[in-house]
Amino acid sequence: NAGVTQTPKFQVLKTGQSMTLQCAQDMNHEYMSWYRQDPGMGLRLIHYSVGAGITDQGEVPNGYNVSRSTTEDFPLRLLSAAPSQTSVYFCASSDRYTYEQYFGPGTRLTVT
Amino acid sequence: QQPVQSPQAVILREGEDAVINCSSSKALYSVHWYRQKHGEAPVFLMILLKGGEQKGHDKISASFNEKKQQSSLYLTASQLSYSGTYFCGTVSYGGATNKLIFGTGTLLAVQP
Repeated sequence: NAGVTQTPKFQVLKTGQSMTLQCAQDMNHEYMSWYRQDPGMGLRLIHYSVGAGITDQGEVPNGYNVSRSTTEDFPLRLLSAAPSQTSVYFCASSDRYTYEQYFGPGTRLTVT
Repeated sequence: QQPVQSPQAVILREGEDAVINCSSSKALYSVHWYRQKHGEAPVFLMILLKGGEQKGHDKISASFNEKKQQSSLYLTASQLSYSGTYFCGTVSYGGATNKLIFGTGTLLAVQP
Protein backbone atom coordinates (compact mmCIF):
# COMPACT_ATOMS: atom_id res chain seq x y z
CA ASN A 1 0.00 0.00 0.00
CA ALA A 2 1.24 3.48 -0.85
CA GLY A 3 -0.86 5.03 1.93
CA VAL A 4 -1.57 8.72 1.35
CA THR A 5 0.20 10.33 -1.60
CA GLN A 6 0.40 14.01 -2.44
CA THR A 7 1.60 15.76 -5.58
CA PRO A 8 3.47 17.92 -6.21
CA LYS A 9 6.05 17.95 -3.40
CA PHE A 10 7.04 21.55 -4.11
CA GLN A 11 5.33 24.32 -6.07
CA VAL A 12 5.98 28.00 -6.70
CA LEU A 13 3.09 30.13 -7.93
CA LYS A 14 2.69 33.76 -8.83
CA THR A 15 -0.04 35.78 -7.19
CA GLY A 16 -3.34 35.25 -8.98
CA GLN A 17 -2.49 31.88 -10.48
CA SER A 18 -4.65 28.85 -9.76
CA MET A 19 -3.62 25.27 -9.15
CA THR A 20 -4.77 21.96 -7.74
CA LEU A 21 -2.97 20.00 -5.04
CA GLN A 22 -3.57 16.31 -5.50
CA CYS A 23 -4.21 13.82 -2.72
CA ALA A 24 -4.95 10.13 -3.06
CA GLN A 25 -5.22 7.22 -0.62
CA ASP A 26 -5.40 3.49 -1.24
CA MET A 27 -6.63 2.37 2.18
CA ASN A 28 -10.34 2.67 1.34
CA HIS A 29 -10.73 5.30 4.04
CA GLU A 30 -14.02 7.18 4.09
CA TYR A 31 -12.67 10.28 5.82
CA MET A 32 -10.20 12.72 4.29
CA SER A 33 -8.96 16.14 5.33
CA TRP A 34 -6.73 19.00 4.22
CA TYR A 35 -4.54 20.98 6.62
CA ARG A 36 -2.12 23.82 6.25
CA GLN A 37 0.85 24.25 8.53
CA ASP A 38 2.48 27.59 9.22
CA PRO A 39 5.23 28.34 11.77
CA GLY A 40 3.76 28.92 15.22
CA MET A 41 0.22 28.12 14.06
CA GLY A 42 0.22 24.35 14.19
CA LEU A 43 -1.99 22.45 11.76
CA ARG A 44 -5.16 24.20 10.68
CA LEU A 45 -8.05 22.36 9.07
CA ILE A 46 -9.04 23.74 5.65
CA HIS A 47 -11.72 21.31 4.41
CA TYR A 48 -12.74 17.78 5.26
CA SER A 49 -14.87 15.02 3.83
CA VAL A 50 -16.74 12.11 5.40
CA GLY A 51 -17.32 10.28 2.14
CA ALA A 52 -17.59 10.60 -1.63
CA GLY A 53 -19.77 13.56 -2.53
CA ILE A 54 -19.69 15.05 0.99
CA THR A 55 -17.39 17.88 1.98
CA ASP A 56 -17.45 20.58 4.64
CA GLN A 57 -15.45 23.60 5.72
CA GLY A 58 -12.83 23.57 8.43
CA GLU A 59 -11.21 26.49 10.26
CA VAL A 60 -9.62 28.29 7.31
CA PRO A 61 -11.58 27.49 4.10
CA ASN A 62 -11.42 30.88 2.35
CA GLY A 63 -9.58 30.79 -0.97
CA TYR A 64 -9.77 26.99 -1.28
CA ASN A 65 -12.22 24.62 -2.93
CA VAL A 66 -12.50 20.85 -2.64
CA SER A 67 -14.52 18.08 -4.21
CA ARG A 68 -14.72 14.36 -3.49
CA SER A 69 -15.97 12.44 -6.49
CA THR A 70 -14.30 9.16 -5.46
CA THR A 71 -13.32 7.56 -2.17
CA GLU A 72 -9.64 7.61 -3.17
CA ASP A 73 -9.12 11.22 -4.28
CA PHE A 74 -9.53 14.55 -2.52
CA PRO A 75 -8.01 17.43 -4.54
CA LEU A 76 -7.57 20.91 -3.10
CA ARG A 77 -7.95 23.86 -5.50
CA LEU A 78 -6.47 27.28 -4.97
CA LEU A 79 -8.65 29.62 -7.00
CA SER A 80 -6.43 32.73 -7.10
CA ALA A 81 -3.20 32.26 -5.16
CA ALA A 82 -2.14 34.89 -2.63
CA PRO A 83 1.15 35.22 -0.69
CA SER A 84 -0.81 34.44 2.51
CA GLN A 85 -1.34 30.92 1.12
CA THR A 86 2.38 30.19 1.27
CA SER A 87 2.45 27.16 3.53
CA VAL A 88 2.98 23.42 3.83
CA TYR A 89 -0.18 21.52 2.95
CA PHE A 90 -0.95 18.10 4.37
CA CYS A 91 -3.66 15.71 3.31
CA ALA A 92 -4.83 13.02 5.73
CA SER A 93 -7.22 10.08 5.68
CA SER A 94 -8.86 7.92 8.35
CA ASP A 95 -11.55 5.32 8.69
CA ARG A 96 -14.69 5.77 10.72
CA TYR A 97 -13.82 3.13 13.30
CA THR A 98 -10.28 3.85 14.45
CA TYR A 99 -10.12 7.63 13.81
CA GLU A 100 -6.32 7.46 13.41
CA GLN A 101 -5.38 9.95 10.71
CA TYR A 102 -2.67 8.97 8.22
CA PHE A 103 -0.89 11.96 6.76
CA GLY A 104 0.64 12.35 3.34
CA PRO A 105 4.19 13.70 2.98
CA GLY A 106 3.02 17.26 2.33
CA THR A 107 3.25 19.87 -0.43
CA ARG A 108 5.38 22.95 0.15
CA LEU A 109 3.76 25.86 -1.67
CA THR A 110 5.31 29.29 -2.16
CA VAL A 111 3.28 32.16 -3.64
CA THR A 112 5.29 35.16 -4.82
CA GLN B 1 -11.11 27.76 18.26
CA GLN B 2 -7.79 25.96 18.62
CA PRO B 3 -7.08 24.08 21.86
CA VAL B 4 -4.33 25.60 23.98
CA GLN B 5 -1.18 23.60 24.58
CA SER B 6 1.38 24.16 27.29
CA PRO B 7 4.27 24.48 27.55
CA GLN B 8 5.22 25.81 24.12
CA ALA B 9 8.63 24.20 24.38
CA VAL B 10 10.53 21.96 26.76
CA ILE B 11 14.13 20.74 26.87
CA LEU B 12 14.94 17.50 28.64
CA ARG B 13 17.90 15.28 29.32
CA GLU B 14 17.58 11.61 28.42
CA GLY B 15 15.74 9.75 31.16
CA GLU B 16 13.77 12.78 32.42
CA ASP B 17 9.98 13.01 32.40
CA ALA B 18 7.72 15.60 30.78
CA VAL B 19 4.05 16.51 30.75
CA ILE B 20 2.30 18.31 27.92
CA ASN B 21 -1.13 19.78 28.53
CA CYS B 22 -4.00 20.45 26.16
CA SER B 23 -7.04 22.51 27.10
CA SER B 24 -10.19 23.28 25.13
CA SER B 25 -13.04 25.75 25.59
CA LYS B 26 -15.49 23.29 23.99
CA ALA B 27 -17.06 20.05 25.19
CA LEU B 28 -14.92 17.30 23.74
CA TYR B 29 -15.81 13.96 22.19
CA SER B 30 -12.21 12.88 21.77
CA VAL B 31 -8.61 14.01 22.07
CA HIS B 32 -5.88 12.85 19.69
CA TRP B 33 -2.12 13.12 20.13
CA TYR B 34 0.39 13.30 17.26
CA ARG B 35 4.13 13.73 17.03
CA GLN B 36 5.90 15.44 14.16
CA LYS B 37 9.61 15.27 13.50
CA HIS B 38 11.25 18.12 11.63
CA GLY B 39 10.50 18.00 7.90
CA GLU B 40 8.13 15.04 8.24
CA ALA B 41 4.40 14.47 8.44
CA PRO B 42 2.64 14.12 11.81
CA VAL B 43 2.36 10.58 13.15
CA PHE B 44 -0.49 9.30 15.31
CA LEU B 45 0.30 8.42 18.93
CA MET B 46 -3.04 7.76 20.56
CA ILE B 47 -6.68 8.74 20.88
CA LEU B 48 -8.74 9.13 24.04
CA LEU B 49 -12.49 8.76 23.74
CA LYS B 50 -13.98 8.61 27.21
CA GLY B 51 -13.91 10.95 30.16
CA GLY B 52 -11.12 10.04 32.55
CA GLU B 53 -9.67 7.55 30.10
CA GLN B 54 -5.98 6.82 30.16
CA LYS B 55 -3.99 5.14 27.46
CA GLY B 56 -0.40 4.12 27.05
CA HIS B 57 2.02 3.67 24.21
CA ASP B 58 5.35 2.28 25.42
CA LYS B 59 6.52 4.93 27.93
CA ILE B 60 4.12 7.55 26.59
CA SER B 61 0.70 7.75 28.17
CA ALA B 62 -2.17 10.21 28.24
CA SER B 63 -5.22 11.11 30.27
CA PHE B 64 -8.46 12.81 29.32
CA ASN B 65 -10.61 14.69 31.79
CA GLU B 66 -13.86 15.19 29.92
CA LYS B 67 -15.40 17.45 32.56
CA LYS B 68 -12.45 19.82 32.55
CA GLN B 69 -12.05 19.55 28.77
CA GLN B 70 -8.39 18.82 29.27
CA SER B 71 -5.89 16.18 28.28
CA SER B 72 -2.31 15.58 29.32
CA LEU B 73 0.45 13.61 27.60
CA TYR B 74 3.03 11.99 29.87
CA LEU B 75 6.47 11.07 28.59
CA THR B 76 8.48 9.06 31.08
CA ALA B 77 12.18 8.20 30.96
CA SER B 78 12.50 10.20 27.75
CA GLN B 79 14.65 8.95 24.89
CA LEU B 80 16.38 10.88 22.13
CA SER B 81 13.77 9.52 19.72
CA TYR B 82 11.03 11.40 21.60
CA SER B 83 12.28 14.72 20.23
CA GLY B 84 9.81 16.48 17.98
CA THR B 85 6.72 18.65 18.10
CA TYR B 86 3.68 17.22 19.85
CA PHE B 87 0.19 18.25 18.82
CA CYS B 88 -3.10 17.58 20.48
CA GLY B 89 -6.16 17.50 18.27
CA THR B 90 -9.72 17.75 19.54
CA VAL B 91 -13.09 16.68 18.20
CA SER B 92 -16.08 18.44 19.69
CA TYR B 93 -19.43 16.88 20.46
CA GLY B 94 -21.83 17.15 17.54
CA GLY B 95 -19.09 17.45 14.95
CA ALA B 96 -17.77 14.97 12.41
CA THR B 97 -15.22 12.63 13.97
CA ASN B 98 -12.59 13.74 11.49
CA LYS B 99 -13.18 17.45 12.13
CA LEU B 100 -9.95 17.51 14.08
CA ILE B 101 -8.80 20.87 15.40
CA PHE B 102 -5.14 20.94 16.40
CA GLY B 103 -3.36 22.99 19.01
CA THR B 104 -0.30 25.04 18.14
CA GLY B 105 2.10 22.36 19.33
CA THR B 106 4.76 21.75 21.98
CA LEU B 107 8.37 21.47 20.86
CA LEU B 108 10.19 18.78 22.83
CA ALA B 109 13.97 18.48 22.63
CA VAL B 110 15.69 15.57 24.37
CA GLN B 111 19.42 15.99 24.86
CA PRO B 112 21.99 13.27 25.66
